[in-house]
Amino acid sequence: NAGVTQTPKFRILKIGQSMTLQCTQDMNHNYMYWYRQDPGMGLKLIYYSVGAGITDKGEVPNGYNVSRSTTEDFPLRLELAAPSQTSVYFCASSRARENGYTFGSGTRLTVV
Amino acid sequence: RKEVEQDPGPFNVPEGATVAFNCTYSNSASQSFFWYRQDCRKEPKLLMSVYSSGNEDGRFTAQLNRASQYISLLIRDSKLSDSATYLCVVNPSNAGNMLTFGGGTRLMVKP
Repeated sequence: NAGVTQTPKFRILKIGQSMTLQCTQDMNHNYMYWYRQDPGMGLKLIYYSVGAGITDKGEVPNGYNVSRSTTEDFPLRLELAAPSQTSVYFCASSRARENGYTFGSGTRLTVV
Repeated sequence: RKEVEQDPGPFNVPEGATVAFNCTYSNSASQSFFWYRQDCRKEPKLLMSVYSSGNEDGRFTAQLNRASQYISLLIRDSKLSDSATYLCVVNPSNAGNMLTFGGGTRLMVKP
């Protein structure tokens, strides 16, 4: 079982570029999430999904988009990258409210 | 008021010490509670769930006080490898399956 897999692990973007952060889970979890964590700060929810075809905004969705075409995949799209999007991005999944989340190992993104 | 509040620390303790962290939450209807551990530059990992009756896992004990709306984590006989940030996590119950994360408490165990 791979759990939650995120790619890439590191990326440097120039201002205005776009990219997609990939997230895949093999646990058949319905719930998936994207968080960002700035240095020394807590996790902030960007977007989440309760199942294939269903997505919703979290606390900090501006500048990002998501899609959930399958149970396994939940990519996060950054359009027109800005320095404020420099952060570590974590994808997570869960089976149900009673369970905690399983996190991917993160993507470290720097926008210069 | 933040939904989940933690003392950021750092808590500097010697090996073998007992250390306790508290965390307060604002939503009295919260249903599920967890402690996560996050090592430097790594992803958060579930340490333990917190049950109403309290629960223990080896050197770690978690307790829930619903009346005062706080949860606690007690670590006995601290090891160097316990050095990490400990995240208090709450499911506010009215937010679907969304967990709310505290900012974390940093623990540093010294030789």
